Amino acid sequence: KAGVTQTPRYLIKTRGQQVTLSCSPISGHRSVSWYQQTPGQGLQFLFEYFSETQRNKGNFPGRFSGRQFSNSRSEMNVSTLELGDSALYLCASSFGGSSYEQYFGPGTRLTVT
Amino acid sequence: ELKVEQNPLFLSMQEGKNYTIYCNYSTTSDRLYWYRQDPGKSLESLFVLLSNGAVKQEGRLMASLDTKARLSTLHITAAVHDLSATYFCAVEPSGAGSYQLTFGKGTKLSVIP
Repeated sequence: KAGVTQTPRYLIKTRGQQVTLSCSPISGHRSVSWYQQTPGQGLQFLFEYFSETQRNKGNFPGRFSGRQFSNSRSEMNVSTLELGDSALYLCASSFGGSSYEQYFGPGTRLTVT
Repeated sequence: ELKVEQNPLFLSMQEGKNYTIYCNYSTTSDRLYWYRQDPGKSLESLFVLLSNGAVKQEGRLMASLDTKARLSTLHITAAVHDLSATYFCAVEPSGAGSYQLTFGKGTKLSVIP
């Protein structure tokens, strides 16, 4: 069974640009969550989607947005990039319902210069 | 606001020794997770603890949960070098209705031969 995949794995962008990251969950999983990991703030929850609906959002500015498609693949978008957005962005997938396990992808390393 | 505190944040231990990592959280929780992260890698799920008194073991690692004390422990028995990694606990608050984890800052474990 293939795991969670994220593309691209590495990305370098300039301040002010925007970026789109992609996450493909494990087949059959309907929930996708996004997290930001930085040395200073640690791991922080961004948002979670289930069956194309955003169920919860973390404490991030509106520049961070996401969506989920009917095949459960998810994208997150960051507009007007700032230096502080440099981070490892992780997505996690879960089947949902009574299954509580969350499986994390390899992450996308975003560097903003 | 849910707060999750891990201690210690850094742990250097000799092979063959035992030690415990503590995870305290501030509000009622539906589920508690333990993850392992190797440098430059993603998160690997270790345990999901669902109820008070839950205990799970895998190899040299054993996790337990006391919901009344809002405390989880990760006990390491007879440490080996391969256990060197950063260990995170994460809590899903009660009633969140989604997979929204709040992570501790992590415990960086170094096992010295």
